[in-house]
Amino acid sequence: AQTIHQWPVAEIKAVGSPLSLGCTIKGKSSPNLYWYWQATGGTLQQLFYSITVGQVESVVQLNLSASRPKDDQFILSTEKLLLSHSGFYLCAWSQDWGGAEQFFGPGTRLTVL
Amino acid sequence: GDSVTQTEGQVTVSESKSLIINCTYSATSIGYPNLFWYVRYPGEGLQLLLKVITAGQKGSSRGFEATYNKEATSFHLQKASVQESDSAVYYCALGMATGGNNKLTFGQGTVLSVIP
Repeated sequence: AQTIHQWPVAEIKAVGSPLSLGCTIKGKSSPNLYWYWQATGGTLQQLFYSITVGQVESVVQLNLSASRPKDDQFILSTEKLLLSHSGFYLCAWSQDWGGAEQFFGPGTRLTVL
Repeated sequence: GDSVTQTEGQVTVSESKSLIINCTYSATSIGYPNLFWYVRYPGEGLQLLLKVITAGQKGSSRGFEATYNKEATSFHLQKASVQESDSAVYYCALGMATGGNNKLTFGQGTVLSVIP
């Protein structure tokens, strides 16, 4: 069975500090990977997607970046956090890109002060 | 761009009563949209409840049903008799495969509270 793990569970960071959030998928080779973000009171929106190692596409520009260093790992990062980065970050995977359902990790709650 | 609208932000229903959560969508991208309902139970992660990939078809799971109505661009979630354990946040989502991206566009979510 496939499992998806996100770390950390929660973070409290200062404005201007760096950030790195991680996601690992086990039990599935060559998944499509995604990052989603939900601001408090807002809607889940897709930030990035990746269909292969080393290749990441940005969907929404929020002064964040993403990388896929391994087949089963997806990293979200920034060098300087903004207050507007606060929210809930979800990693997801899918079998392929043809409109297939996506499976989500438990998420990371980020608070920027 | 694509959009999904859930008109009710919060719904309160008594146990054993019927439920309907409204969802309408607008798909401007070229392609064939798939429709999903996701659910987040208290203390748990977001999980798929049901999906329908063909217009006119109905999906069902755990007593919930939703029909993909292409003419009305709707995908309402219904249940004949809710239970207290159905209390959760429900998200309608539109899935479109465009340019190599399998993008889900979510509604704002509906908080369901079932009163025993």
